[in-house]
Amino acid sequence: EDQVTQSPEALRLQEGESSSLNCSYTVSGLRGLFWYRQDPGKGPEFLFTLYSAGEEKEKERLKATLTKKESFLHITAPKPEDSATYLCAVQAGGNTPLVFGKGTRLSVIA
Amino acid sequence: DVKVTQSSRYLVKRTGEKVFLECVQDMDHENMFWYRQDPGLGLRLIYFSYDVKMKEKGDIPEGYSVSREKKERFSLILESASTNQTSMYLCASSPIAGGETQYFGPGTRLLVL
Repeated sequence: EDQVTQSPEALRLQEGESSSLNCSYTVSGLRGLFWYRQDPGKGPEFLFTLYSAGEEKEKERLKATLTKKESFLHITAPKPEDSATYLCAVQAGGNTPLVFGKGTRLSVIA
Repeated sequence: DVKVTQSSRYLVKRTGEKVFLECVQDMDHENMFWYRQDPGLGLRLIYFSYDVKMKEKGDIPEGYSVSREKKERFSLILESASTNQTSMYLCASSPIAGGETQYFGPGTRLLVL
């Protein structure tokens, strides 16, 4: 069974304190790994798709990396506006829906 | 820009009522999905559709049905609402069969009394 585990469940950072969120997955033939950001009371907002081990993508203070077993979302010098829940999802090979992790709730304190 | 809209942001219904949640996407996506999201349980897939008039059960289809008569519109139906269906409901769409990047709507927060 395809599974996604995100850690930590919650993370509290001071403004400017860089850190990483982890997404571990087990899937039969990875087709893609997806990162989303979700603000309270809103729908998830797409951030990145990674397709193969070694791939990296960046957007502002966020950088996503992928290995064969996990992905990291690195946050460099975070600001309070980066506070949100970050969701990771994988898609296995073939026509299958995404499998989501439960998310990491990030709080950045000024 | 991809736009997925949901008919209501907030909805209050009584137990036993029939509830319709509507979702519309404007990017000609083939795939559409309905999820519910609850604290501690994450996103759970209720139903999805890869084409007009097609539907597939997700992980938690009990108590729900769906309708897709047009490519851009995917409706979630609660046949007889119950209090345990109080939740945040999220619709998503994606461009090709098999998933690819899913784009989400703003969500409907449903309260069943």
